[in-house]
Amino acid sequence: EDKVVQSPLSLVVHEGDTVTLNCSYEVTNFRSLLWYKQEKKAPTFLFMLTSSGIEKKSGRLSSILDKKELSSILNITATQTGDSAIYLCAVEGGTTDSWGKLQFGAGTQVVVTP
Amino acid sequence: DTAVSQTPKYLVTQMGNDKSIKCEQNLGHDTMYWYKQDSKKFLKIMFSYNNKELIINETVPNRFSPKSPDKAHLNLHINSLELGDSAVYFCASSQERTYATPYEQYFGPGTRLTVT
Repeated sequence: EDKVVQSPLSLVVHEGDTVTLNCSYEVTNFRSLLWYKQEKKAPTFLFMLTSSGIEKKSGRLSSILDKKELSSILNITATQTGDSAIYLCAVEGGTTDSWGKLQFGAGTQVVVTP
Repeated sequence: DTAVSQTPKYLVTQMGNDKSIKCEQNLGHDTMYWYKQDSKKFLKIMFSYNNKELIINETVPNRFSPKSPDKAHLNLHINSLELGDSAVYFCASSQERTYATPYEQYFGPGTRLTVT
């Protein structure tokens, strides 16, 4: 069965710190890994990583996919209070009946204190 | 303009009632989804429609019935509501799934359903 495990489950940092979130997965025929940020409402899309795009960066956020280790990290540098959220990792398998079927991890709750 | 919208945002109802949640997207996407996020915050897919055709149907009680009148709308009807149905239900949409390219999904704001 496909599985997505995120760590840590939660962390508290001070503004300006750098955080690294981890996501490990087991999936049949990996197709994509996605990162989302969830504040009070809808998960907001951050990045999608695939075999052809293993590294993404946007501003202070960056993410890398390690297909050998079946894992991904999400880095947030120079954290701000607005980065406080739950960060969700999701994986999509590559079999026909897995397309679009995102398997989510439990999320990492990040709290950035001023 | 809201990309993926859901109504209502909150729904409080008693056990045994029937209720519906509506979703609309204006992104021009072909595929729409329903997810359930329970109290432990796990997001789990329930259904997906592609151009009005049901393509994903996870192990969900048959009290839940999705319906897509057109590719911009996906509704979820729940019969005989139970306490365990209390959760946040998210609608999402994406471009059409193909062999060649995976696409990211965009989520609506969620509907918090409370069954008393």
